[in-house]
Amino acid sequence: DAKTTQPNSMESNEEEPVHLPCNHSTISGTDYIHWYRQLPSQGPEYVIHGLTSNVNNRMASLAIAEDRKSSTLILHRATLRDAAVYYCILRVLSGSARQLTFGSGTQLTVLP
Amino acid sequence: EAQVTQNPRYLITVTGKKLTVTCSQNMNHEYMSWYRQDPGLGLRQIYYSMNVEVTDKGDVPEGYKVSRKEKRNFPLILESPSPNQTSLYFCASSLSQGLAGAEQYFGPGTRLTVT
Repeated sequence: DAKTTQPNSMESNEEEPVHLPCNHSTISGTDYIHWYRQLPSQGPEYVIHGLTSNVNNRMASLAIAEDRKSSTLILHRATLRDAAVYYCILRVLSGSARQLTFGSGTQLTVLP
Repeated sequence: EAQVTQNPRYLITVTGKKLTVTCSQNMNHEYMSWYRQDPGLGLRQIYYSMNVEVTDKGDVPEGYKVSRKEKRNFPLILESPSPNQTSLYFCASSLSQGLAGAEQYFGPGTRLTVT
């Protein structure tokens, strides 16, 4: 999988929006952009994914740059429960896409 | 409720004593995999299975075995555990690994300590 780059840590105030950036300059045309998060003492949890267009679901929004070399995960109103490590991952569309390659992720701290 | 379950959640064992960590999913998923998570190294894949009787090595398979006799179960076997296998283990499943858009569901983790 192509490499992604994320800030090591970010802080946000409770009930404010959070924009988590991810750079993936080597992305190919068939790579999906996935976001997972890992809350303390839990397994990773799927958040959202997209290919080219911006995506929304009940948890978050994913904004994908026009050249697809970067993306931003948006949490519209951060809560204390959103404090977690957020991973941006690229997945290849092919039968050999056998794993999720997790980078180091962004540790999000939500301040009350 | 759709879920991936792992047992045991915590295990302390001694070097060389064979152990099995079970993983089960109730979503009829074809794809299942095992990861280990270590501080500073992140999550690394151990083994994966595309379907029943189809398994393959991930990035760190040494010292581990797996089997996939039934679609719902994917046990991780440590024939002769060593202290360097002390780690947090996660099982995951997804509908189809052929679909890069498929989300993976992770179990709650098994914390293994080998002394």
